[in-house]
Amino acid sequence: AQSVTQPDIHITVSEGASLELRCNYSYGATPYLFWYVQSPGQGLQLLLKYFSGDTLVQGIKGFEAEFKRSQSSFNLRKPSVHWSDAAEYFCAQPHSNYQLIWGAGTKLIIKP
Amino acid sequence: EPEVTQTPSHQVTQMGQEVILRCVPISNHLYFYWYRQILGQKVEFLVSFYNNEISEKSEIFDDQFSVERPDGSNFTLKIRSTKLEDSAMYFCASSRTSGRPYEQYFGPGTRLTVT
Repeated sequence: AQSVTQPDIHITVSEGASLELRCNYSYGATPYLFWYVQSPGQGLQLLLKYFSGDTLVQGIKGFEAEFKRSQSSFNLRKPSVHWSDAAEYFCAQPHSNYQLIWGAGTKLIIKP
Repeated sequence: EPEVTQTPSHQVTQMGQEVILRCVPISNHLYFYWYRQILGQKVEFLVSFYNNEISEKSEIFDDQFSVERPDGSNFTLKIRSTKLEDSAMYFCASSRTSGRPYEQYFGPGTRLTVT
């Protein structure tokens, strides 16, 4: 069955340090892939998306993600995190007919 | 920037009661969705809606659930007889019909608590 895996439930990073959140997908030769962020008490905000073309995609808030077909991965990165980046991050992929399949999420904790 | 809105932000109801969760999708979007997230669990798809009919639904979306677009702006999710296990955050989303329909925009959610 199609699935999206985020192997890290929690990640703690010092403010100013770099960040990489992992996402692996299981379906599709050229999948569509998304990263969403959910801040405390907020909804799901689209950070970035990959449809085709350049495998390194830029998103909002200084985030980027790289699609690697050989590894079935779409990892999210940020060179220097800010305390306001503390949130939960979700990787998602469309299933047929536009339904999104979600990873379990990674909670990002920022150390001062 | 246009956004999806949802009301109420928090709904508390007793088991067996009916609830209606409301959403106003982005105005030029034609695909609408409901998802839910039980505390500590993954976001789960419930239903998608296009052209005034359900286009896809999950196993979760049983006869207790229904969706409706009662007018040109609102999109509602009704749960007829709530159960304790319906307690969750419910998210509405919408997307455009052309170009990249997969790009779904989400509302802030309604937290439903069934007691």
